[in-house]
Amino acid sequence: NAGVTQTPKFQVLKTGQSMTLQCAQDMNHNSMYWYRQDPGMGLRLIYYSASEGTTDKGEVPNGYNVSRLNKREFSLRLESAAPSQTSVYFCASARVENSPLHFGNGTRLTVT
Amino acid sequence: DAKTTQPPSMDCAEGRAANLPCNHSTISGNEYVYWYRQIHSQGPQYIIHGLKNNETNEMASLIITEDRKSSTLILPHATLRDTAVYYCIVRAQTFSGSARQLTFGSGTQLTVLP
Repeated sequence: NAGVTQTPKFQVLKTGQSMTLQCAQDMNHNSMYWYRQDPGMGLRLIYYSASEGTTDKGEVPNGYNVSRLNKREFSLRLESAAPSQTSVYFCASARVENSPLHFGNGTRLTVT
Repeated sequence: DAKTTQPPSMDCAEGRAANLPCNHSTISGNEYVYWYRQIHSQGPQYIIHGLKNNETNEMASLIITEDRKSSTLILPHATLRDTAVYYCIVRAQTFSGSARQLTFGSGTQLTVLP
């Protein structure tokens, strides 16, 4: 039982490049979330998916898109990376929308 | 979701109880208190949550004051592996737009000393 798995663990992009961060959970959870964490700012919600087939914006959605591919997988796409998107990205899942969150170990992204 | 206030850092001796306070004076009646922790370079880990009664699980105890304006997370016998940033969050259990805007503040850096 792996819980929440994020890939890749590290990534370096040049400004303007695109990439997709992958997240998969094996706990049969309905809700999934993407957060970013910057020094001194805690975690901020980017996008979430309350259930399969639905996605909604969080606190800081600009510059990102998401896809809830199926119940297990929730991907985050950066279409044109910017240095301001340098951050650590965490995916989380929950049994239902307001249950405790289970987090992955993050993707460390640097945009130069 | 109500705002929370936590001390930025605390130390605790190994084997002693660690008591981490959190103020949430604007908490609403339907908002729960959640605690998570984040060990360096890892994702946050859920610890415990409660509404108004004290709660205990295998990791910790949660004491919520009668007026619910503050709470304390207790790690009964802290170990070096408990060194982490601890986040206190309040959020509603019922479905609402505000419940979705779950944001973690800066938390408390707990350092367990040998």
